[in-house]
Amino acid sequence: QIVLTQSPAIMSASPGEKVTITCSASSSVSYMHWFQQKPGTSPKLWIYSTSNLASGVPARFSGSGSGTSYSLTISRMEAEDAATYYCQQRSSYPPTFGAGTKLELK
Amino acid sequence: EVQLQESGPSLVKPSQTLSLTCSVTGDSITSGYWNWIRKFPGNKLEYMGYISYSGSTYYNPSLKSRISITRDTSKNQYYLQLNSVTTEDTATYYCAREHSHWGQGTSVTVSS
Repeated sequence: QIVLTQSPAIMSASPGEKVTITCSASSSVSYMHWFQQKPGTSPKLWIYSTSNLASGVPARFSGSGSGTSYSLTISRMEAEDAATYYCQQRSSYPPTFGAGTKLELK
Repeated sequence: EVQLQESGPSLVKPSQTLSLTCSVTGDSITSGYWNWIRKFPGNKLEYMGYISYSGSTYYNPSLKSRISITRDTSKNQYYLQLNSVTTEDTATYYCAREHSHWGQGTSVTVSS
């Protein structure tokens, strides 16, 4: 199965700061998907097919990448963005997830 | 909008069978793909498998000998059975339509 390696594992950002989370795949994948999860809630699909924002996701979020290297970017950090973000690939079954990046507000 | 709700026992003894139900409203399980995903205490997410609109199934090879996903279309529910559980199966279990709509999750502890 494809292993996804996210970095960093934990990070903090100040309001207004740019944030980038990376996800590296052990083999090439066609697309990457991203989920946001806050404590006590289920994961929410946040970015699908590499760069498409799910319904209701603020435009300050973006996704990019190809092959084995993908990223999620927040142009300007806001308090509500504090959460854990997971990347996921479904190009090869079984679908696999990264270990998560915990983003905290500084 | 589609809504999913997991239900089942919160405590299962080692070697027994874990059985969960996902009740679906707002959509028919005869369309799309209906998944089970779990999150371990260390926050790792694991994809378990799906049952499709036609009733076909896919299981993660890591679980293949222990898992079964079935459905009851008359109740618009689908089910997870995981046999011979150990403490390592302690997790929060989620059902999800495709990967865009998730239930709230149900916590299951395997302990004697």
